[in-house]
Amino acid sequence: DAGITQSPRHKVTETGTPVTLRCHQTENHRYMYWYRQDPGHGLRLIHYSYGVKDTDKGEVSDGYSVSRSKTEDFLLTLESATSSQTSVYFCATQGQFSEQYFGPGTRLTVT
Amino acid sequence: GENVEQHPSTLSVQEGDSAVIKCTYSDSASNYFPWYKQELGKRPQLIIDIRSNVGEKKDQRIAVTLNKTAKHFSLHITETQPEDSAVYFCAATDANAGKSTFGDGTTLTVKP
Repeated sequence: DAGITQSPRHKVTETGTPVTLRCHQTENHRYMYWYRQDPGHGLRLIHYSYGVKDTDKGEVSDGYSVSRSKTEDFLLTLESATSSQTSVYFCATQGQFSEQYFGPGTRLTVT
Repeated sequence: GENVEQHPSTLSVQEGDSAVIKCTYSDSASNYFPWYKQELGKRPQLIIDIRSNVGEKKDQRIAVTLNKTAKHFSLHITETQPEDSAVYFCAATDANAGKSTFGDGTTLTVKP
């Protein structure tokens, strides 16, 4: 599993509150990604990082921000959570041959 | 940007039959095509991949084919077993840019 952990694994929060999800990797991979997974939509890229402090937007980035201050940590922040952000969030890293390794996922419910 | 379409969305087969899942992509810059398997409640995991300079790759009961000209690639599972039941995702990757676009997934059910 390429040493990827996510925290928290489950979270319930109220609309309008800020939420931060953490991804930690031990493989020293350069690229890291945040995806959301919703029924019928597969995995959609929110943001990704190609190095410390280097990040870029994915296809569904509105309402989300990210930060990467260390190679091993990639944070995803929902500035003001909305019910449409209820989802399962997966972090991933890219290995040497472009393959991706996924974390265990975080199930977020916004009430 | 890249657009990946995956078909069918659901597939049910009898144990021992073959299963085929097809994907198309739009961006000629995509040069790496992995397939991931996701069991219920688990994370997606890579099962096989193919690069744009290869037409076919096989690993035991699983094979992947790529037609660059037509921009489509397929996953073939032979002699299916109940443990093959899962959601399968294809992806098209621009390895130079480090970005992947995923299909919407195929739920495969293998009936014993």
